[in-house]
Amino acid sequence: QVQLQESGPGLVKPSETLSLTCSVSGGSISTYYWSWIRQPPGKGLEWIGYIYYSGSTNYNSSLKSRVTISVDTSKNQFSLKLSSVTAADTAVYYCARGQLKLSWYFDLWGRGTLVTVSS
Amino acid sequence: QSALTQPRSVSGSPGQSVTISCTGASSDVGGYNYVSWYQQHPGRAPKLMIYDVTKRPSGVPDRFSGSKSGNTASLTISGLLAEDEADYYCCSYAGGYTGVFGGGTKLTVL
Repeated sequence: QVQLQESGPGLVKPSETLSLTCSVSGGSISTYYWSWIRQPPGKGLEWIGYIYYSGSTNYNSSLKSRVTISVDTSKNQFSLKLSSVTAADTAVYYCARGQLKLSWYFDLWGRGTLVTVSS
Repeated sequence: QSALTQPRSVSGSPGQSVTISCTGASSDVGGYNYVSWYQQHPGRAPKLMIYDVTKRPSGVPDRFSGSKSGNTASLTISGLLAEDEADYYCCSYAGGYTGVFGGGTKLTVL
């Protein structure tokens, strides 16, 4: 079955860029939408943005100026970059498969990876 | 996009029913039939329980049901089990190919 796995540094310094990758195994990255969702410690979920396998993207307006999501179909991976991070960006970051055409839900999630922003 | 409003906590005894509300606006919950619900146990990733307001993914017990009236969506869990104790989040399409989550509700099974 299809599985998602996040990877990347667990510690990022303030003002630097957070970079994470989501590897999709057991199925093709094509045909679906792929999202990043985060959860600060003890808080709720926040949708960050999505990318379609073709490369089209859309982002949460509150993060739009700092976010870039990209896809590498040859590696069956998609990635997140969040620039100019602060302590407020400390969170568990999840990658998820989105059913976002004529609907809006996330049916498959990675386990999540904690990213701490600290000097 | 403002987060959807959910009660911080609800509780019920085993066998009882509980309902969790999710209030938004006409620009999100009220404007589209694209509300989903997620269950999250501590330290685990969220799990899809309901999508498109009322639909259940394969494998989700029929004790879980969803509904919507106006700008408020609801998740009802009947025949509560101890394993239902978790955090629950609603999510809605908010137009412009964007979405918004609720703040989450902690369900305690007494």
